[in-house]
Amino acid sequence: KAGVTQTPRYLIKTRGQQVTLSCSPISGHRSVSWYQQTPGQGLQFLFEYFSETQRNKGNFPGRFSGRQFSNSRSEMNVSTLELGDSALYLCASSWGDILSTDTQYFGPGTRLTVL
Amino acid sequence: QKEVEQNSGPLSVPEGAIASLNCTYSDRVSQSFFWYRQYSGKSPELIMSIYSNGDKEDGRFTAQLNKASQYVSLLIRDSQPSDSATYLCAVREGYGFNKFYFGSGTKLNVKP
Repeated sequence: KAGVTQTPRYLIKTRGQQVTLSCSPISGHRSVSWYQQTPGQGLQFLFEYFSETQRNKGNFPGRFSGRQFSNSRSEMNVSTLELGDSALYLCASSWGDILSTDTQYFGPGTRLTVL
Repeated sequence: QKEVEQNSGPLSVPEGAIASLNCTYSDRVSQSFFWYRQYSGKSPELIMSIYSNGDKEDGRFTAQLNKASQYVSLLIRDSQPSDSATYLCAVREGYGFNKFYFGSGTKLNVKP
């Protein structure tokens, strides 16, 4: 069974630009969560999508947005990039069944550098 | 604000010793608990999940859960240098939600 895939793996952007990251979950998984990881802040939850709807949201500004498609693939967009957005962006997939003992599996991440 | 607390370390143990990693959480309705291992520059990898009070063993790893004390731990027996990594504790919010909360991680160094 294929794992979670993320593209691209590395990105270099300049301040003010926007970026779109993509995540394909494990086959059958309907929940996709996005996290930002920096050395100083650890793993910070951005948002979760389930069945094309944002179900949970973390405390990030509106520059961070996402969407999910009917095949459960998800994209995350960051507009007007700032230097502080440099981080490892991780996608995690799970079944999304809130009544089950659900488990998240992480993709390899996208390393974003903002210059 | 739900919190998951871990000692940041580094925790240094000699090869072959038992490494003990600890985690406390603030939300009493949390139902599911996870340990992830993360090597430098890589993404977190699931090691174990535990849902009921007591111990759960998987190879050299044992997870221990005490819901009354809001405490979960991970024991690594016969530690190897390849176990050197940051270990993240994660807690899934109770029934009705699908939010996971992560600790900041404990860095483990296993010395040959």
